[in-house]
Amino acid sequence: DAKTTQPNSMESNEEEPVHLPCNHSTISGTDYIHWYRQLPSQGPEYVIHGLTSNVNNRMASLAIAEDRKSSTLILHRATLRDAAVYYCILRGPSGYALNFGKGTSLLVTP
Amino acid sequence: GAVVSQHPSRVICKSGTSVKIECRSLDFQATTMFWYRQFPKQSLMLMATSNEGSKATYEQGVEKDKFLINHASLTLSTLTVTSAHPEDSSFYICSAPQTGGSTEAFFGQGTRLTVV
Repeated sequence: DAKTTQPNSMESNEEEPVHLPCNHSTISGTDYIHWYRQLPSQGPEYVIHGLTSNVNNRMASLAIAEDRKSSTLILHRATLRDAAVYYCILRGPSGYALNFGKGTSLLVTP
Repeated sequence: GAVVSQHPSRVICKSGTSVKIECRSLDFQATTMFWYRQFPKQSLMLMATSNEGSKATYEQGVEKDKFLINHASLTLSTLTVTSAHPEDSSFYICSAPQTGGSTEAFFGQGTRLTVV
């Protein structure tokens, strides 16, 4: 799977929107962009994924650049419970195991 | 959504003993499951791929005789850490993804292993 680049950490105020960036300049045409998050002492949790179009679900929105070389995970109103490490991962059409990078550690302050 | 259940959530064992960790897919069949290990302040590292009805495949550097994997059914995979030592203390996580990049992967809650 192609590599992704994320900032090591970000900080947000509670109830503010958060934009978590991810660069994936070597993405192939068939790679899906997946986002997972890991709360302290828990297994990763699926957040959202997409291929080309922007995606929305109850947890977040995913904005994908037109050239697909970058994407942004948007948390519309951060809560203290959103403090976690967020992983942006590319997954091929038949790929199985997820290749976790270092992710972005999100700190949410009251 | 689909759920993966991992048990136990935490275990403390004495050095030299063996510990078994179970990973179950609760409402779907998983012919393949993955085992990850995560040391403090680090990311998840894939250890091995568990295949139902066949031998597991291990990532480079992972001792297959130390980390025994059994995938006895389409809903259960087990990881046994044999002759555990303090350096095996870690957070172990299983995953049972549905096939294809267009679907989400599901993870167990993780098992915190402490070897004393």
